[in-house]
Amino acid sequence: DAGVTQSPTHLIKTRGQQVTLRCSPKSGHDTVSWYQQALGQGPQFIFQYYEEEERQRGNFPDRFSGHQFPNYSSELNVNALLLGDSALYLCASSFGGLVDTQYFGPGTRLTVL
Amino acid sequence: SQQGEEDPQALSIQEGENATMNCSYKTSINNLQWYRQNSGRGLVHLILIRSNEREKHSGRLRVTLDTSKKSSSLLITASRAADTASYFCATDDDNFNKFYFGSGTKLNVKP
Repeated sequence: DAGVTQSPTHLIKTRGQQVTLRCSPKSGHDTVSWYQQALGQGPQFIFQYYEEEERQRGNFPDRFSGHQFPNYSSELNVNALLLGDSALYLCASSFGGLVDTQYFGPGTRLTVL
Repeated sequence: SQQGEEDPQALSIQEGENATMNCSYKTSINNLQWYRQNSGRGLVHLILIRSNEREKHSGRLRVTLDTSKKSSSLLITASRAADTASYFCATDDDNFNKFYFGSGTKLNVKP
């Protein structure tokens, strides 16, 4: 039973560019949440996708957008990258739009130069 | 913000000693969870305690929850070098839709 997978593992971009990160949820899960974790900080909730719609959103600008596909996998897109977007991006999956039991992927390390 | 705060920020102990980490939060919760993170990798779920529970055990882990004080503690007994990691508490909102993490406690267990 595959757990949550994320790709790529590492990514280096320059300011102003756009990036797409991908997440496949754990088998049987239909809800995907995205988190940003800056160095030395706790993860910050970006948004959650359930039934192919953004259901909840944290305090992040519109440059952060996402998508969920019919197979429940999800993408996180960040436009007009800033240096401050450098972070570990974590994806978590759960079931039924709830977050009481979440499984996290290994994360994508994004570096913006 | 409902974000929890862990205390202490860093903790260094010898192998075999017990480690205690505390977490405080601001608003009412349904559940409180503890996670471990090794060297900036993905989060590993350790234990979930529901708002109507006061104490929970899992192996060498003991978690307590005091909803009147809006605080929780994680005790790791007989620590091992492999327990070296960052530990985060996380709380959900009333609708189970959002998750709020604290700032973490960095535990170093010296062999």
